[in-house]
Amino acid sequence: DIVMSQTPLSLSVTPGQPASISCKSSQSLPQSAGKTYLYWYLQKAGQPPQLLIYEVSNRFSGVPDRFSGSGSGTDFTLKISRVEAEDVGVYYCMQSVQPPITFGQGTRLEIK
Amino acid sequence: QVQLVESGGGLGKPGGSLRLSCAASGFTFSDYYMSWIRQAPGKGLEWVSYISGGGSTIHYADSVKGRFTISRDNAKNSLYLQMNSLRADDTAVYYCGRTWDYWGQGTLVTVSS
Repeated sequence: DIVMSQTPLSLSVTPGQPASISCKSSQSLPQSAGKTYLYWYLQKAGQPPQLLIYEVSNRFSGVPDRFSGSGSGTDFTLKISRVEAEDVGVYYCMQSVQPPITFGQGTRLEIK
Repeated sequence: QVQLVESGGGLGKPGGSLRLSCAASGFTFSDYYMSWIRQAPGKGLEWVSYISGGGSTIHYADSVKGRFTISRDNAKNSLYLQMNSLRADDTAVYYCGRTWDYWGQGTLVTVSS
């Protein structure tokens, strides 16, 4: 199974400041037809997860451009260029390269 | 717009059964893989199962293999999860999803005697 490990597990950010979350996979996530199946979700309190980034670096419909994703191989990063109050919640990375599909432990973002 | 509405959650007994349903709308249901994920109280997200658009490809997490069965009815735009031999650690909110972009609001399953 591919284990996804996120760091940090929590972060507290001042509004307007950047934030970065790392996601490392236990084995390299290969490209298939030019795509690497690595996703980022945000789960706000009491809500289902919402897709932010798909295939490493593509912003999903309606996602603000302050969110960006990057990485390859085993190392992936989600960056928020300027954190806003509405960004509070738990962020998860997920791989769907092969079953079992696996999520990171989650990173809780709070506002200072 | 894509809508996914789960139903069928509730209280189940250890060793018992529950059947979850997910009604989909706003997209061509048969064109998409569909999935179930779950979230135990206060815990992270756990993938449960997925099924291809035509139903020919199915995978399960080891934690539910042999106990849960995913299925779909494309004529009814519906996804199902038959949950048998329930255990206390199956207690969770179960989310239906259009792999991997949209998720429903979830339905709570509680397994307790």
